[in-house]
Amino acid sequence: GAVVSQHPSRVICKSGTSVKIECRSLDFQATTMFWYRQFPKQSLMLMATSNEGSKATYEQGVEKDKFLINHASLTLSTLTVTSAHPEDSSFYICSARPLGATNTEAFFGQGTRLTVV
Amino acid sequence: LAKTTQPISMDSYEGQEVNITCSHNNIATNDYITWYQQFPSQGPRFIIQGYKTKVTNEVASLFIPADRKSSTLSLPRVSLSDTAVYYCLVGGDTGRRALTFGSGTRLQVQP
Repeated sequence: GAVVSQHPSRVICKSGTSVKIECRSLDFQATTMFWYRQFPKQSLMLMATSNEGSKATYEQGVEKDKFLINHASLTLSTLTVTSAHPEDSSFYICSARPLGATNTEAFFGQGTRLTVV
Repeated sequence: LAKTTQPISMDSYEGQEVNITCSHNNIATNDYITWYQQFPSQGPRFIIQGYKTKVTNEVASLFIPADRKSSTLSLPRVSLSDTAVYYCLVGGDTGRRALTFGSGTRLQVQP
């Protein structure tokens, strides 16, 4: 089946630094990718929708200047957490759906555990 | 997307059949019902999808009554490795829209 690869799987960074997370669709093209954040014992919360060749759309309450999204190709989206702080520590998950998908099947990356110290 | 309601948690023992029911009273005519499984520190994984009646694959079965206002995910003979959170999602949109996750059901399988 379709595969979405996310890298890195785990990262620890110092407060104030920036971290980049990559999300790749390995065997299909995706004009749209999605970024979620998940805190312990909670469900996935959509942060933003990444659109190839155009600006990302962010959910209410998500700071676009803090969570920079770039979707430069049909198979790659990146999320950069800028000036990270301990409260940004979370599990970040990307998702992609094949172009033209008409049902609710989506493919998820393995997630990135971000710890800001 | 239609709102879904499912139990917060369930407990079972190895070898038992587990049925998790999800309510989706506002399901639309073109909506599909999809279930995902998530292990700790991993992304969700697609389990099964259906539109009506019954769907079965190598992992699970999905039962959908005629009115489609609910669905039941059935896991036959669970093992410890089935301990996970199970999410029920309903929708029928294109690949340009994100999936919205509810609270999910945390299944704990005991030996």
